[in-house]
Amino acid sequence: DIQMTQSPSSVSASVGDRVTITCRASQDVSYKLAWYQHKPGKAPKVLIYEASTLQTGVPLRFSGSGSGTDFSLTISSLQPEDFATYYCKQAKSFPHTFGQGTRLEIK
Amino acid sequence: QVQVVESGGGVVQPGGSLRLSCAASGFTFNNFGMQWVRQVPGKGLEWVAVVSQYGSLQHYADSVKGRFTISRDNSKNTVSLQMNSLRADDTGVYYCAKEGTEHISSYLDYWGQGTLVTVSS
Repeated sequence: DIQMTQSPSSVSASVGDRVTITCRASQDVSYKLAWYQHKPGKAPKVLIYEASTLQTGVPLRFSGSGSGTDFSLTISSLQPEDFATYYCKQAKSFPHTFGQGTRLEIK
Repeated sequence: QVQVVESGGGVVQPGGSLRLSCAASGFTFNNFGMQWVRQVPGKGLEWVAVVSQYGSLQHYADSVKGRFTISRDNSKNTVSLQMNSLRADDTGVYYCAKEGTEHISSYLDYWGQGTLVTVSS
């Protein structure tokens, strides 16, 4: 199985800050990686798919990059609604696997 | 608009069974694979299972293989997850989600609100 490792596990930041979350795969997943935002009591929401494609309706402050084994999600200017937990997930091979999550908290 | 709605969660004793259902609408159901993902309390998201567009292919997480069965009924636009031999560590919120492309093994673009499964004596 492909292991996904995110860092950091949690981060504190302020509105307006730039934040980057990284995700490393234990083997090559090509571009088959997506980023999800999850808020308590809500359905997870896809932000980025195929490593760098912004899902329709997602604000332009979100961007993704990487391929192979190393990926990143950047939020260019944090907004109050961005405080949530973020997960990467590989879809290169089954079983699909998520990273352990990065909790983004208000400083 | 696309809707995905789970049902069937509840409290079950260890070793028991439960069947979750997922009703989908707003898209051509038999064009897309469907997946189940769960969140154990206090932990992250865990991928559970996938079924292909016509139900011919299924894949499972190692933690549920041999105990859970995913299936679909394209005449009713529904996906099911039959869960047997349930354990305490199966407790969590179970989400049903639609794949984002017409190729199995894709990102998930629409998710339900989840249904809570509690395995406890």
